[in-house]
Amino acid sequence: DQQVKQNSPSLSVQEGRISILNCDYTNSMFDYFLWYKKYPAEGPTFLISISSIKDKNEDGRFTVFLNKSAKHLSLHIVPSQPGDSAVYFCAASPLHNQAGTALIFGKGTTLSVSS
Amino acid sequence: ETGVTQTPRHLVMGMTNKKSLKCEQHLGHNAMYWYKQSAKKPLELMFVYSLEERVENNSVPSRFSPECPNSSHLFLHLHTLQPEDSALYLCASSPGQAANSPLHFGNGTRLTVT
Repeated sequence: DQQVKQNSPSLSVQEGRISILNCDYTNSMFDYFLWYKKYPAEGPTFLISISSIKDKNEDGRFTVFLNKSAKHLSLHIVPSQPGDSAVYFCAASPLHNQAGTALIFGKGTTLSVSS
Repeated sequence: ETGVTQTPRHLVMGMTNKKSLKCEQHLGHNAMYWYKQSAKKPLELMFVYSLEERVENNSVPSRFSPECPNSSHLFLHLHTLQPEDSALYLCASSPGQAANSPLHFGNGTRLTVT
């Protein structure tokens, strides 16, 4: 049973518009969440994170929102650019765990931004 | 340059072969990991090493054998693999022990078992 779910395998957005990628989780022990971005033939790269004491974290064009009661987080990219086209992975972990030992990934969402 | 280098990038091996995947990190990190990414599946953690000691093994079959000779190098030794082991194998490192130390991934080794 998947603990981290990205229910949309793909998303297509026009350049300049907002991209919203969604992620749901089931484990109430998760209190740290990360987004990774992956281009073809490359490994995932860390994008942005949020801990459960916050409901929003912003870094430039990227904002992550956390709704703990709904066990839902989303990544907003504004404005979207063609270079944002990639696979985006959501990941979650209990904060007290050692690095990586309990990091659970979703299956990913492929974002395509057209110019 | 990702800071985490994996070789080879592609590997094709028969079920009776023995091969090794290599990972090297140039970031001064203390923890290293092997992940497996199969088609249409989430990234799966295989092994974790922290300060060269194995911290976790997620019930990975014994045909996969990790080795961490020092904090910069990590190997995954492969023997008598099955076709279903074909996947992208990703190495990662992280600065410290805390869960909020983001992972830095290599570009992976695409393994095909024939």
